[in-house]
Amino acid sequence: AAGVIQSPRHLIKEKRETATLKCYPIPRHDTVYWYQQGPGQDPQFLISFYEKMQSDKGSIPDRFSAQQFSDYHSELNMSSLELGDSALYFCASSPIPQTQGPSSLYEQFFGPGTRLTVL
Amino acid sequence: AQSVTQLGSHVSVSEGALVLLRCNYSSSVPPYLFWYVQYPNQGLQLLLKYTSAATLVKGINGFEAEFKKSETSFHLTKPSAHMSDAAEYFCAVSVAAGNKLTFGGGTRVLVKP
Repeated sequence: AAGVIQSPRHLIKEKRETATLKCYPIPRHDTVYWYQQGPGQDPQFLISFYEKMQSDKGSIPDRFSAQQFSDYHSELNMSSLELGDSALYFCASSPIPQTQGPSSLYEQFFGPGTRLTVL
Repeated sequence: AQSVTQLGSHVSVSEGALVLLRCNYSSSVPPYLFWYVQYPNQGLQLLLKYTSAATLVKGINGFEAEFKKSETSFHLTKPSAHMSDAAEYFCAVSVAAGNKLTFGGGTRVLVKP
């Protein structure tokens, strides 16, 4: 079965540089979520999109921006990188309501993550 | 607002022994609850979910969890631990379809031979 694809899997940047993380949801999933997991921490919600519109926003720094494109893939853009941005960034997707049973609406399918290291 | 508390950041069990991971939630509306497992350097895999159907939920790899509204709990159990169960486990809550997940702090499970 198709899974959520994230690229790149690993990324090393210097302080003050810019990074772009990409997420390709499972086909026929229209909602995308981004989470940040710092070392030894639980995942923290950053932002989500439904049908290409921002649907919710969490503790996402102003230096970060994201969008969802017409093919439903999403990109997280991170500027002026700081050492504290080093983390595992997960993308998750959930299905279009009409295509699967009701209980699947609440399930988020996670990608393998992008490990960002800021030096 | 919703929140999740996982009691015990580390749990050590012997192979073949019961695994019990505790999760308590707080939510102003009926919650939807999940357990995810994370192996080292990997993503999050769903073990099981409660979405207001049966209160006893069976998941993959022999895990199950029981939703107890009176105790605001959703503890995860497995009757007999296997070495492959060594991982970090996260309890999470959501309050609606398409809504963000709020995770607990995680419990790292160590399985001793």
